[in-house]
Amino acid sequence: NAGVTQTPKFRILKIGQSMTLQCTQDMNHNYMYWYRQDPGMGLKLIYYSVGAGITDKGEVPNGYNVSRSTTEDFPLRLELAAPSQTSVYFCASSLTGDNQPQHFGDGTRLSIL
Amino acid sequence: GENVEQHPSTLSVQEGDSAVIKCTYSDSASNYFPWYKQELGKRPQLIIDIRSNVGEKKDQRIAVTLNKTAKHFSLHITETQPEDSAVYFCAASMGSGYALNFGKGTSLLVTP
Repeated sequence: NAGVTQTPKFRILKIGQSMTLQCTQDMNHNYMYWYRQDPGMGLKLIYYSVGAGITDKGEVPNGYNVSRSTTEDFPLRLELAAPSQTSVYFCASSLTGDNQPQHFGDGTRLSIL
Repeated sequence: GENVEQHPSTLSVQEGDSAVIKCTYSDSASNYFPWYKQELGKRPQLIIDIRSNVGEKKDQRIAVTLNKTAKHFSLHITETQPEDSAVYFCAASMGSGYALNFGKGTSLLVTP
């Protein structure tokens, strides 16, 4: 099993551009999550999904959108990139949402200039 | 979201000493408390977790204690080694049970 795979690993965007961060997992997990990690801070939840077709906002959803058309994939979209979205983005998954360990991908380091 | 406070933010110990990191949480519905280790430029990796029906859990040199009444939990690392140097994050499940609230992390440095 590859676990949770994120692409790309690094990306530089110009202000106002859009892009999609890809996340896929091969563990047949029902729950998937997107976090952002800023320097010296913990991880903040952007969006999560409890299954295909179901998504919900986390703590910091503004400026982002998600979709979950399959169990495996949970892409995160930035429509109008802003400097405040410069961060490291981590995707995670868990078998269920109830007291289950979350498994993280390697992250995407995104810079908005 | 509900807050998770983590202390200290930095911790330096000598090899062989013990390290203790403490966290407090505010959501009384939280019932799952994992700890993650993150090395520089790497993903967070789960090192130990505890559920609210357990007061203490140990795995070799790592132990976690939980006091639900006081809403705090702690990570204990004994016989520290240089490879334990990393940032450690505590987390508490949100009331919905669907996601985690993370502390801001503790940067642990173990010097030989």
